[in-house]
Amino acid sequence: SQQGEEDPQALSIQEGENATMNCSYKTSINNLQWYRQNSGRGLVHLILIRSNEREKHSGRLRVTLDTSKKSSSLLITASRAADTASYFCAPGGFKTIFGAGTRLFVKA
Amino acid sequence: GAGVSQTPSNKVTEKGKYVELRCDPISGHTALYWYRQSLGQGPEFLIYFQGTGAADDSGLPNDRFFAVRPEGSVSTLKIQRTERGDSAVYLCASKQGPLENTEAFFGQGTRLTVV
Repeated sequence: SQQGEEDPQALSIQEGENATMNCSYKTSINNLQWYRQNSGRGLVHLILIRSNEREKHSGRLRVTLDTSKKSSSLLITASRAADTASYFCAPGGFKTIFGAGTRLFVKA
Repeated sequence: GAGVSQTPSNKVTEKGKYVELRCDPISGHTALYWYRQSLGQGPEFLIYFQGTGAADDSGLPNDRFFAVRPEGSVSTLKIQRTERGDSAVYLCASKQGPLENTEAFFGQGTRLTVV
């Protein structure tokens, strides 16, 4: 298992704008997951993308995966104040490892 | 219960004391994880159980930390001779199995404060 590295560390946008955050990893994976954390408590699973998928949608979320570049991106469209949270990627493995995350702040 | 339950939600203890943190995973989930998270950081992996056995305890910082899962369900994280640096939120998560493509379900954490 390996740790993903999220970028940017922090992001501040206006409500209604799109938010994009990126994740890079080092070795081949079978899947990659994104999680959200509000207020430093439990993480919530958002979406899983498999290595044979290039793009996946879930509501206002769009995740891409580029296995040749070992990177993934999470796009939140039409952001809301409630999207304010920290976002983490977790490259696939039996042992789920997290990086430092991207702290997103959506201003109303 | 329907989700992962962690107790207590908050624990304040004096330096040098022993503490136990409990995690009740989702029923039927065989994989259980403990993480530690300091303010502004991501969750730091501590230990992973598959059933009753610790499949990977490489994240435990030192021998003051120990975790058990005797019946393959509830897990207890034990910290001896607590230090101020142990103050953090301790998170527990469970998964349905050892498969890579399953999501982890998290509890709300125990906030440990060592004074």
